[in-house]
Amino acid sequence: GAGVSQSPRYKVAKRGQDVALRCDPISGHVSLFWYQQALGQGPEFLTYFQNEAQLDKSGLPSDRFFAERPEGSVSTLKIQRTQQEDSAVYLCASSLGSGQGADSNQPQHFGDGTRLSIL
Amino acid sequence: AQSVTQPDIHITVSEGASLELRCNYSYGATPYLFWYVQSPGQGLQLLLKYFSGDTLVQGIKGFEAEFKRSQSSFNLRKPSVHWSDAAEYFCAVAPWAGNMLTFGGGTRLMVKP
Repeated sequence: GAGVSQSPRYKVAKRGQDVALRCDPISGHVSLFWYQQALGQGPEFLTYFQNEAQLDKSGLPSDRFFAERPEGSVSTLKIQRTQQEDSAVYLCASSLGSGQGADSNQPQHFGDGTRLSIL
Repeated sequence: AQSVTQPDIHITVSEGASLELRCNYSYGATPYLFWYVQSPGQGLQLLLKYFSGDTLVQGIKGFEAEFKRSQSSFNLRKPSVHWSDAAEYFCAVAPWAGNMLTFGGGTRLMVKP
């Protein structure tokens, strides 16, 4: 597809369940980002990949959150033992370059997000 | 640490009226600045970006923004608002375009007929 694709669009889980959210970036995009957007707030950074390498995970709120991008394309954000405060929209974004040198002017393109509700 | 402030949580304007959404940032150097728009249930769409050069940048949908270093501001403007512009608008800053974005809290724009 032409844009960033996220699935599922909506996910409802009971507290304590594990969930997995998928992001399919734009083909050829090197960088991939995950953001968390709580209701009525701006997105907040969670983690960043350059190809398969997770270069920054400083925004992950706890060790229950785990992200991977094993082949440098599709990424999965996993949340273990979900809690009600995990309810949010999870946004994925990708950009063409690594952000350095000649690629430094490539902006991020966002998917439509996954709305996660924890009951 | 970088931060972004959008002072107006909600703004209501009449269709056809002009619009200005405020954005102030805090960053040690000249940042990369962005405005994104988010319609309900949708992701973020890039309206415009500022990296360097001319401080008045043009974007899509008739929007423009002006970078003012002395005021640490990057306000978004549109001369005549359309009903379809009703959405949430986010200002964001990054050390470079491909790096993590720091977003403001957003401004919800409502358009009166």
